[in-house]
Amino acid sequence: EVQLVESGGGLVKPGGSLRLSCAASGFTFSSYSMNWVRQAPGKGLEWVSSISSSSSYIYYADSVKGRFTISRDNAKNSLYLQMNSLRAEDTAVYYCARAEDTAMAYWYFDLWGRGTLVTVSS
Amino acid sequence: DIQMTQSPSSVSASVGDRVTITCRASQGISSWLAWYQQKPGKAPKLLIYAASSLQSGVPSRFSGSGSGTDFTLTISSLQPEDFATYYCQQANSSPTFGQGTKVEIK
Repeated sequence: EVQLVESGGGLVKPGGSLRLSCAASGFTFSSYSMNWVRQAPGKGLEWVSSISSSSSYIYYADSVKGRFTISRDNAKNSLYLQMNSLRAEDTAVYYCARAEDTAMAYWYFDLWGRGTLVTVSS
Repeated sequence: DIQMTQSPSSVSASVGDRVTITCRASQGISSWLAWYQQKPGKAPKLLIYAASSLQSGVPSRFSGSGSGTDFTLTISSLQPEDFATYYCQQANSSPTFGQGTKVEIK
């Protein structure tokens, strides 16, 4: 089955760190770019970060630049998001999302995981 | 950043109705636009990409149109499973989403 499964969410104090993982299965992970998209409780969607299929290109939203680091391990079919210096406003469900690694489809997210909740609170 | 503005924020409709949602970009994005459907507690689902291309497996009652700054998602005959929140997303640069349009039962 083609799927993405996120893990690693939880409760963390402001200023703390957390590492999210996304396990891919059912497709050739190394051929796709991957993204993290978040959704604060009751709010809309916000793109967080993107990494190309070979990790050559990495992008971040201004809201997380310098605090979050995206990475991937194609041998393990896994995507990661290291989150440091967490703030209350980072509280959200974090989704990993797939996109074709082509110029025409790089920002169209055609497969999403179910998400993992990150809560930043003292 | 390119800002995306959807209207209306919510719409009440009945099964069989035609529903239209609009999305406006703060600057021209050609046809670099996607539409997603999200049901409560679920992940978003890609419906339309490149403004008017139907994603594989999506029913043909969904259609998209527009280019430049103004775009439209149309559901030709609303079905019970279509009650959800819909988001537009620009794909011209670092992606940004509209605030969402909730389609509710009338």
